[in-house]
Amino acid sequence: AQSVSQHNHHVILSEAASLELGCNYSYGGTVNLFWYVQYPGQHLQLLLKYFSGDPLVKGIKGFEAEFIKSKFSFNLRKPSVQWSDTAEYFCAVGASITGGGNKLTFGTGTQLKVEL
Amino acid sequence: KAGVTQTPRYLIKTRGQQVTLSCSPISGHRSVSWYQQTPGQGLQFLFEYFSETQRNKGNFPGRFSGRQFSNSRSEMNVSTLELGDSALYLCASSSQGTGGPGGTQYFGPGTRLLVL
Repeated sequence: AQSVSQHNHHVILSEAASLELGCNYSYGGTVNLFWYVQYPGQHLQLLLKYFSGDPLVKGIKGFEAEFIKSKFSFNLRKPSVQWSDTAEYFCAVGASITGGGNKLTFGTGTQLKVEL
Repeated sequence: KAGVTQTPRYLIKTRGQQVTLSCSPISGHRSVSWYQQTPGQGLQFLFEYFSETQRNKGNFPGRFSGRQFSNSRSEMNVSTLELGDSALYLCASSSQGTGGPGGTQYFGPGTRLLVL
């Protein structure tokens, strides 16, 4: 069974600091990788995704993530965070399953607080 | 395009009752997935429906069931409610199914269920 680990449960940063949130998964086959964000009081929304090609993907609001296949990782980064980045961030891994279709598994989330 | 809508937004039930939640996907999307979100367990996959067929199911008891109609709208039913069923229930739609290359999911605002 596939699983997703997000090692940092709570992160507090000052504005302009750099951000890196870790995400590791366990699955032996081909995966599709996602980062979702949930701002306070809002829906979950997609930040970025990786399906194939360049392992460095760029998303909205200056976020990027790098897929390192050998490390089973898909870490999220942002060079300079803003107060408005305060939110919960979820890593998710999609993989095909027997019988057709794909299954999407989420990590437990990282709560990011950016202080002024 | 209108986003994913879920009704009702809030529900209070008592133990032993049953509840039905509704989800209307983005127009043209054939896949609807349901998730349970709790502070302790994070986002847990319940099931996915694609073109009226359940394609995928998570590790939840049989009290949790769902269906999808020909217009892609989906309902989720929980029978014999337990206190532990209190959670935010999220619905997500995608055009090609969860987790795959075409499976970017768009989430609704959720239905917050409180079981007393």
